[in-house]
Amino acid sequence: QVQLVQSGPEVRKPGASVKVSCKASGYSFSSHGVTWVRQAPGQGLEWVGWINAYNGKRNYGQKVQGRVTLTTDTTTTTAHMELRSLKSDDTGIYYCARGDMVRGIFEDFWGQGTLVTVSA
Amino acid sequence: QSALTQPASVSGSPGQSITISCTGTSSDVGTYNYVSWYQQHPGKAPQLMIYEVTNRPSGVSNRFSGSKSGNTASLTISGLQPEDEGDYYCSSYTSTDTRVFGGGTKVTVL
Repeated sequence: QVQLVQSGPEVRKPGASVKVSCKASGYSFSSHGVTWVRQAPGQGLEWVGWINAYNGKRNYGQKVQGRVTLTTDTTTTTAHMELRSLKSDDTGIYYCARGDMVRGIFEDFWGQGTLVTVSA
Repeated sequence: QSALTQPASVSGSPGQSITISCTGTSSDVGTYNYVSWYQQHPGKAPQLMIYEVTNRPSGVSNRFSGSKSGNTASLTISGLQPEDEGDYYCSSYTSTDTRVFGGGTKVTVL
């Protein structure tokens, strides 16, 4: 069965960086993309970005553009999201999800989420 | 890219039908048939309910249906059931090759 298992909660100070991992199993990793979505406490969903696991093509959301890097490792079927220069409003749950390969237009399986807390 | 516009809340009695609207622009909903809908229960990850405007993933009840007219997409839940309570989010592909979500709609079963 398709599963995406994310790394554990993280606490960082403003200005620091964080890297969240997402281990995929149960499907052909290189035949899909991986989308990252975040959710601030009590708020709605925000699209962070998408990466094609086969060729590495990626797109990023405007709010994190320039501070985020999405990568995939096809040998370990793991996706990573690194967010730099953290601010307090980066606090929230970060989800990875299996996306389509071409444009990342929808996600059919989701990870359990990783809580990232940014606090001095 | 501005968020898509959804009503904050929608409610209905068991067995009734409700519709959630999702309004975008000609740069997203109005141009692309790449609208998806997600259900989220408290403390859980979102679940895909509709993709590409009208398509239901396997395992999703046929009580859920999607449509689109102009810049507005809609999700209809027929035969409302208590387990349908939760938050619903629409999302669309955009002309800048990115995605945008709606602000979310809280569905309450009375």
